[in-house]
Amino acid sequence: QQQVKQSPQSLIVQKGGISIINCAYENTAFDYFPWYQQFPGKGPALLIAIRPDVSEKKEGRFTISFNKSAKQFSLHIMDSQPGDSATYFCAASRGSGTYKYIFGTGTRLKVLA
Amino acid sequence: SQTIHQWPATLVQPVGSPLSLECTVEGTSNPNLYWYRQAAGRGLQLLFYSVGIGQISSEVPQNLSASRPQDRQFILSSKKLLLSDSGFYLCAWSAGEVKNIQYFGAGTRLSVL
Repeated sequence: QQQVKQSPQSLIVQKGGISIINCAYENTAFDYFPWYQQFPGKGPALLIAIRPDVSEKKEGRFTISFNKSAKQFSLHIMDSQPGDSATYFCAASRGSGTYKYIFGTGTRLKVLA
Repeated sequence: SQTIHQWPATLVQPVGSPLSLECTVEGTSNPNLYWYRQAAGRGLQLLFYSVGIGQISSEVPQNLSASRPQDRQFILSSKKLLLSDSGFYLCAWSAGEVKNIQYFGAGTRLSVL
């Protein structure tokens, strides 16, 4: 019940295309869903996050879509660029106590020039 | 502004040797602190977290231990390293009104030979 399942494991997209990464969770107590971007040899950096009271959040080319009834959320990268090539992790946490994250297994994105 | 420091950036240690990795946070007080390990090409596994000085919770049984001797200092240790301890170790912090958001350090690449 604590897992966050992420797919696909890897993704290749042409420059200008849309990259879509999906995550599913089981624990309905989760109330915070961030996405992190990680470049090789670096620590993950927060990209965008959403709470379950909204169905979509957009920041620039990055959009999170959230489906509370299906317990799924996804990251959409519009107009994907070679500089977006990185590993993306979704996560889920409860907004109290330890604020521990449960991370997905990651998606390695490659955007072809 | 808040910053997180992790050192060393890279470490090569023989099997059976001790380990000490240090993480410090600046610009905030009473942060939650976290140690993660990331195996090559894999997701982030939470090892330890701390909500205050001297308060350490372990997530998985292992050859490692953690300590928090000061409010903004988090140390990861081992008395005798195993080959399986190799990986990328990341420290993270969260604090303030938005403790959901975790900020990661640059990581330490540990190779046990």
